[in-house]
Amino acid sequence: DVKVTQSSRYLVKRTGEKVFLECVQDMDHENMFWYRQDPGLGLRLIYFSYDVKMKEKGDIPEGYSVSREKKERFSLILESASTNQTSMYLCASSSFRGLATDTQYFGPGTRLTVL
Amino acid sequence: AQKVTQAQTEISVVEKEDVTLDCVYETRDTTYYLFWYKQPPSGELVFLIRRNSFDEQNEISGRYSWNFQKSTSSFNFTITASQVVDSAVYFCALSGYNFNKFYFGSGTKLNVKP
Repeated sequence: DVKVTQSSRYLVKRTGEKVFLECVQDMDHENMFWYRQDPGLGLRLIYFSYDVKMKEKGDIPEGYSVSREKKERFSLILESASTNQTSMYLCASSSFRGLATDTQYFGPGTRLTVL
Repeated sequence: AQKVTQAQTEISVVEKEDVTLDCVYETRDTTYYLFWYKQPPSGELVFLIRRNSFDEQNEISGRYSWNFQKSTSSFNFTITASQVVDSAVYFCALSGYNFNKFYFGSGTKLNVKP
């Protein structure tokens, strides 16, 4: 069964803290993604990675960085958390292998609150 | 430019009514894929369907059906005889051939009342 896991479902941090959100997938997918979801704004892509140590900025990378040292793990880092980064963060992975099941699979999400 | 538009922000229906969620897309790619996802109140996005740009055959799965029309760049989703459990936010998405970039619509919130 396909699985994308995220380290926390709920997280509360203080302004200025460094925050790590971890995502692990067990499907040997090449591509991994971090999105944030806010009411009325849908899903917005923060960063994605198409291979180990490779990363590409998405639509809203400011204030975030990422790390992909292993194929199965993609970390999102908030260097200095701010209240406007309070949001739902969704991790996803995908691969195209010519199979009917190819799609983008999502983790359960991390609801981050920055106080 | 790639873009997905879901013009309906929120729809409310009474149980057993049929409801159609609209999705219009823009792309310059000749090969592309379209998706629908469901996000229930629990928050996790659940994959519903994927269609290829070269296959316009409509699909039915139980109470769900999808109508893909390249001529109007639309990929609409119909729920027949809606149920309360269908209440969720539904997202339409577009991707290129290698699945390394996805474009999501803003979502349609469906409320099914008993």
